[in-house]
Amino acid sequence: DADVTQTPRNRITKTGKRIMLECSQTKGHDRMYWYRQDPGLGLRLIYYSFDVKDINKGEISDGYSVSRQAQAKFSLSLESAIPNQTALYFCATSTGTGSADTQYFGPGTRLTVL
Amino acid sequence: GDSVTQMEGPVTLSEEAFLTINCTYTATGYPSLFWYVQYPGEGLQLLLKATKADDKGSNKGFEATYRKETTSFHLEKGSVQVSDSAVYFCALGGSAGGFKTIFGAGTRLFVKA
Repeated sequence: DADVTQTPRNRITKTGKRIMLECSQTKGHDRMYWYRQDPGLGLRLIYYSFDVKDINKGEISDGYSVSRQAQAKFSLSLESAIPNQTALYFCATSTGTGSADTQYFGPGTRLTVL
Repeated sequence: GDSVTQMEGPVTLSEEAFLTINCTYTATGYPSLFWYVQYPGEGLQLLLKATKADDKGSNKGFEATYRKETTSFHLEKGSVQVSDSAVYFCALGGSAGGFKTIFGAGTRLFVKA
């Protein structure tokens, strides 16, 4: 089984709808991240969490919110989806061992907002 | 701020050709450098990393050397295979003691049989 799972894998929704993307991990890592991938822009950090009680905004948090329900679960919500939020979304975890901190990614959720 | 610049793609090569994907960075302090690979339909996975100047990371026939004097971390492979077709991301982490990983835009590689 995959160490980092994301649901759903694909989602098509309409402008104004609320949508939640879920992430679960079995790696036992404290740190979890949500990224957005757009063609030609690489990955941009939306939110990150160092433990259940520590949640922080990344570089592009506007229009998004998150919830860390447990060490293993980190959800991303779009309160009112808009078309420019169409993208590939990745959840990731890391051990938090400093600058050489490898990130472990889920398979991604492809979101389309019509 | 910190940044990573990598060569634009796509890069198209024939099987057994030599691969170089250029990556340069701007950072304060002494970051670690990474190459991640994204196969079709999958998330990113670590390919190799180097944590200090002159270190060479290697994995699956790929290599990259951390060059502080030229602020570069170019990815190389002597003989590519069709199965190497993927998107490759250069990244830096831990600049100025921070935790964030900064990713480049990615370079798509196509290998033809």
